[in-house]
Amino acid sequence: EDKVVQSPLSLVVHEGDTVTLNCSYEVTNFRSLLWYKQEKKAPTFLFMLTSSGIEKKSGRLSSILDKKELFSILNITATQTGDSAVYLCAVEAGGGATNKLIFGTGTLLAVQP
Amino acid sequence: DVKVTQSSRYLVKRTGEKVFLECVQDMDHENMFWYRQDPGLGLRLIYFSYDVKMKEKGDIPEGYSVSREKKERFSLILESASTNQTSMYLCASSPHRGGELFFGEGSRLTVL
Repeated sequence: EDKVVQSPLSLVVHEGDTVTLNCSYEVTNFRSLLWYKQEKKAPTFLFMLTSSGIEKKSGRLSSILDKKELFSILNITATQTGDSAVYLCAVEAGGGATNKLIFGTGTLLAVQP
Repeated sequence: DVKVTQSSRYLVKRTGEKVFLECVQDMDHENMFWYRQDPGLGLRLIYFSYDVKMKEKGDIPEGYSVSREKKERFSLILESASTNQTSMYLCASSPHRGGELFFGEGSRLTVL
């Protein structure tokens, strides 16, 4: 059965800290891995990763994929209170008409002033 | 910007009632999805549609049905709501069969 596991489930940090969120997966016919940020409403897209070892970066956020070890990390440097959210990892798997996104349960990040 | 609009943000219904959750997207996306989100379980796919009048079961379709009469609109129907369908429901659309999804803001349904 396809599965996506995120860790930690939650964490609390102080402003300015650096955090690393983890996502491991076991799926059939991996196609891509996506990261989303969810505040109190709709998840918003952060990154899509398809190739191993190539870092994607957007401001203080960055992410990388390891297709050999089947995991991805999301790094946030110099955290701010606005980074407080649930971070969702999703893996696209399958092929043709049946590929679909499998979501992890998310990591709840709380950034304290 | 892509906009996915879910008509009801909060609903409270009674057991046995029929419930309609409406979702409209304005970017001419082919693909639309309904997920439910529960604590500790993440997002789980209920139904999806790759074209008008087409629907496919996701991972947890039991107790739900969908309708896609027009490209921009994808409705989720609970024929007879039950308490275990209390959840956050998220609609999403995408221009391609893979890749990024664009989510609506969610409909929080409580079934009493």
